[in-house]
Amino acid sequence: AQSVTQLGSHVSVSEGALVLLRCNYSSSVPPYLFWYVQYPNQGLQLLLKYTSAATLVKGINGFEAEFKKSETSFHLTKPSAHMSDAAEYFCAVSARTDKLIFGTGTRLQVFP
Amino acid sequence: EAGVAQSPRYKIIEKRQSVAFWCNPISGHATLYWYQQILGQGPKLLIQFQNNGVVDDSQLPKDRFSAERLKGVDSTLKIQPAKLEDSAVYLCASSLDAWDTYGYTFGSGTRLTVV
Repeated sequence: AQSVTQLGSHVSVSEGALVLLRCNYSSSVPPYLFWYVQYPNQGLQLLLKYTSAATLVKGINGFEAEFKKSETSFHLTKPSAHMSDAAEYFCAVSARTDKLIFGTGTRLQVFP
Repeated sequence: EAGVAQSPRYKIIEKRQSVAFWCNPISGHATLYWYQQILGQGPKLLIQFQNNGVVDDSQLPKDRFSAERLKGVDSTLKIQPAKLEDSAVYLCASSLDAWDTYGYTFGSGTRLTVV
């Protein structure tokens, strides 16, 4: 069975500061891992995905994530936060041919 | 390409009433998913269709929820009768096939409030 744990339901950063959103996964098989972003009253938008190629994955809007098998982690980072990054972020895992399992989400607030 | 269309965007009903949601996936996408997103939680899969057949409905409360995908295109999700705990956003997603986890496209969702 697969699961993900997102540490911290709320994260606040200042504009220009580093963004770090944490995700740990559990999977009985080599996983596919994803980060999605959700803006208010909108659906989920794919930020990036890991599918067993390069362990450092670059996504849209300057975000990237690193797959660390030894730590079972897939943390999302962005070097410099922008006001427009304020949203809900979801980590998700899939056993490749199976459905997406989502974490509980992390709400990112960006202060000027 | 057009995205996943869902309607209505918002719905308010009283408990014990019935409600239906509609989803039109991206053209050519064989797999369709309905997710339930309760406030403060991540989306949870309710049902997955491959064309017009059900692949996974293990988390669908079948005593009150039903879903169909006639002709392998549009889909409807129905709740009858609704309970207060059904208040949530119902998200529809589609992908080329069940193994295309690269390419889930989500609709904007239907926000249901049960009072």
